[in-house]
Amino acid sequence: EAQVTQNPRYLITVTGKKLTVTCSQNMNHEYMSWYRQDPGLGLRQIYYSMNVEVTDKGDVPEGYKVSRKEKRNFPLILESPSPNQTSLYFCASSLTSGNTDTQYFGPGTRLTVL
Amino acid sequence: GNSVTQMEGPVTLSEEAFLTINCTYTATGYPSLFWYVQYPGEGLQLLLKATKADDKGSNKGFEATYRKETTSFHLEKGSVQVSDSAVYFCALRGNAGKSTFGDGTTLTVKP
Repeated sequence: EAQVTQNPRYLITVTGKKLTVTCSQNMNHEYMSWYRQDPGLGLRQIYYSMNVEVTDKGDVPEGYKVSRKEKRNFPLILESPSPNQTSLYFCASSLTSGNTDTQYFGPGTRLTVL
Repeated sequence: GNSVTQMEGPVTLSEEAFLTINCTYTATGYPSLFWYVQYPGEGLQLLLKATKADDKGSNKGFEATYRKETTSFHLEKGSVQVSDSAVYFCALRGNAGKSTFGDGTTLTVKP
C-alpha cells in the first residue's frame, strides 16, 4: 500500500532532550516536507527536500533540523526541544516539486514538550 | 508571498443541506489549488484539485472551480452527509513546490 509513515505517533518529552521523528514513504517520491499544525494557524512548513541531499528551510525552521540521506526517509530532529514546539507534526511527500503534484500526508505525530 | 484565506468556522449544518466553504488566495505566477480534508486523528488527504484557471475539480460530490478573476476556489457540495464532518483545508502550490494552507474550516453535519 502506498503510504507515508511517521513514528512515533505520540510523544511526551521534557525540555532539552533531543528527539527524532521519523518519516518514510514507499512511493519513490522526490519531494518531502515537514509541517506543524497549530490551532488557528493552519499548516506551516518547517523544512522541505527536493531530492536526496537537498534540503531547505520552510517558513518556521527555527529549532529544527532535517536530513535526506535516502530518498524514502526524511527525519525531523529537535536538538533541544522547548515547550513552544508542542504541536501536531505532519510529514508529506509528492512525486516532484511540480505545482500540480498532490502531496500525500502521514498520520501525524503529536508532540508535547514539558 | 502567497497566502490563502478561508472562511472562518466552525460550520454546522443539517444532513442534506448545501455546503459552501469560501477560499480566496493571493499568489504570484500560476499556482495549482487544492482542497484537503482531515478526519479526526488522521492526516490530510486530497479531496480535489485544479491546476489552471477555469478548471473544476470534483470528487465525492464536492466541487470547486479555479476562478482567476476573483482569485477564489470555493468548495461546494449539494447535499452533505454526517460522514462529511471533518476539517477542510484550502491550499495552493506554487513555485518550487512551496505550499500555502488556509487555517482550516471545521464542518459538523448533524443528522
